[in-house]
Amino acid sequence: DSGVTQTPKHLITATGQRVTLRCSPRSGDLSVYWYQQSLDQGLQFLIQYYNGEERAKGNILERFSAQQFPDLHSELNLSSLELGDSALYFCASGTSGSTDTQYFGPGTRLTVL
Amino acid sequence: EDQVTQSPEALRLQEGESSSLNCSYTVSGLRGLFWYRQDPGKGPEFLFTLYSAGEEKEKERLKATLTKKESFLHITAPKPEDSATYLCAVHSGGSNYKLTFGKGTLLTVNP
Repeated sequence: DSGVTQTPKHLITATGQRVTLRCSPRSGDLSVYWYQQSLDQGLQFLIQYYNGEERAKGNILERFSAQQFPDLHSELNLSSLELGDSALYFCASGTSGSTDTQYFGPGTRLTVL
Repeated sequence: EDQVTQSPEALRLQEGESSSLNCSYTVSGLRGLFWYRQDPGKGPEFLFTLYSAGEEKEKERLKATLTKKESFLHITAPKPEDSATYLCAVHSGGSNYKLTFGKGTLLTVNP
């Protein structure tokens, strides 16, 4: 158990809908990273927050957004969902937001029908 | 653009048959190389971080090594429970703190 929690574990929804994924980092970690994992693309970095502020952006679509709250939990919002958004979404946390080890949560499996 | 290539894509071993997995990388200033293990449908589990060429780290039957262009994950006398996908990732310099992952090596150890 990495200490990172993610909810829900599974999510099934329809095209065009909006969903919110939630992540709680390990105790003491200030950084949260979001990744998407699909069969053909592997693990792709989406976005990073450090102590409430956006720090780095990767291949995140404009339909996707995230935020980190004062209690350090983070939410990833996915809107106008398409079939191709079906994937595993992972959250990772780290201490400093620099070259620290990232510890991954169990993931949320999103299925868009 | 950072690039990570892992080989082989899949590896099948007999229990006790030692082998190595390869991770080749191209980055603009390596800040860290990470090895993770991932079981199907689960989150990646951290194994090792390597920071500079020549560094080695060990954990049970696993040993990770690093050169200026690649890293190896050596598996000694593997057991069926070592079956998993092994992922390599790099963190390069600059203000972007993301990890760039390879596509992984699927290791199957048969009893």
